Amino acid sequence: SSELTQDPAVSVALGQTVRITCQGDSLRNYYATWYQQKPRQAPVAVIYGKNNRPSGIPDRFSGSSSGDTASLTITGAQAEDEADYYCNSRDSSGNHVVFGGGTKLTVL
Amino acid sequence: EVQLVESGGGLVQPGGSLRLSCAASGFTFSSYEMNWVRQAPGKGLEWVSYISSSGSAIYYADSVKGRFTISRDNAKSSLYLQMNSLRVEDTAVYYCARDDGDCFDSWGQGALVTVSS
Repeated sequence: SSELTQDPAVSVALGQTVRITCQGDSLRNYYATWYQQKPRQAPVAVIYGKNNRPSGIPDRFSGSSSGDTASLTITGAQAEDEADYYCNSRDSSGNHVVFGGGTKLTVL
Repeated sequence: EVQLVESGGGLVQPGGSLRLSCAASGFTFSSYEMNWVRQAPGKGLEWVSYISSSGSAIYYADSVKGRFTISRDNAKSSLYLQMNSLRVEDTAVYYCARDDGDCFDSWGQGALVTVSS
């Protein structure tokens, strides 16, 4: 199985733009999905596919991909965006799913 | 409203067994693939297992293969995870998650499994 690598922690000033990245070989063949998890809550998908937002997700969340790296961008970060963010994708076999280690986002 | 409700968690000794259930409502359960995902205390998310909508395709993470069994009963709109030969490192919150083919679009609230002597 393959691995997805994320920076453990990222911070952003309120109202500024932040990019969270996810790197792994499987991302050359599969899109990443991004999940937001707040303390003591289940994860929620915020970006999937090329750059799709599930219903109810604000348009300040966007996704992109290049080569083996996927990115989640929050444009105009809000206090409520402070959370852990996880990427996932299929692994190289296509049958298994792999998660990144997660990025803790702090909004200053 | 889509709802997924896990049950069956608890404290079990190493080597023991436990069966988790996930009751689904608010959607046509038989049309969706399902997954189990776990999260050890203070750690990240780990995919555990996948089952296709009919149950004909099943996959497991290497860490649980041979010890855990995923199954479903579409007539009862329920997903299960039979966990045998439990280890201390299996201690985690276990989530069931609906897979719409694009992402895990709905999650349950999680069931805590603690493996300890």
